[in-house]
Amino acid sequence: GIQVEQSPPDLILQEGANSTLRCNFSDSVNNLQWFHQNPWGQLINLFYIPSGTKQNGRLSATTVATERYSLLYISSSQTTDSGVYFCAVWVTSGSRLTFGEGTQLTVNP
Amino acid sequence: DGGITQSPKYLFRKEGQNVTLSCEQNLNHDAMYWYRQDPGQGLRLIYYSQIVNDFQKGDIAEGYSVSREKKESFPLTVTSAQKNPTAFYLCASASKADTQYFGPGTRLTVL
Repeated sequence: GIQVEQSPPDLILQEGANSTLRCNFSDSVNNLQWFHQNPWGQLINLFYIPSGTKQNGRLSATTVATERYSLLYISSSQTTDSGVYFCAVWVTSGSRLTFGEGTQLTVNP
Repeated sequence: DGGITQSPKYLFRKEGQNVTLSCEQNLNHDAMYWYRQDPGQGLRLIYYSQIVNDFQKGDIAEGYSVSREKKESFPLTVTSAQKNPTAFYLCASASKADTQYFGPGTRLTVL
């Protein structure tokens, strides 16, 4: 099956810093999503981005499907950005999402 | 409100008991999913259903059972055969290969 690798596994930042999270995948996909899991466990949709670039406030994402990776950018980080960020992909002709192991982000005040 | 609801939020079970976790959605989505998450880990797929009265095993289906009698509902039963059921359980729904949305989760603890 498809492999989804996220890096780094852990990231600690000071408030106001910028960061880039990476997601590599091993096969062609027709759907890629980024999620943020908050401290209460809720998974929040950030982006549906099978290709191209999208921006939402301080967050933006870019997927280069031909090179099989996606990047999530967080600018001017805030303590509320803390949590786990998951990348998940839906393979072409598949019927389910496959998740990476996540990046644990801690933003200190 | 539109969305996915899960109940209960917290559930305690004695060893040897079966328990059923509820998942309801009013998003008119065809597909529904159950995931398990252990502390510090990612999400693992238990079961999924792409249409009413049909469902498929995921990666860790042993010790679990599901039903899909209605489009809106996809309950998960954790049976006594599940050796280590203490975990966080998340339900999700999606419209085919489109954006997947998650419920708030149920934390199950075996006493």
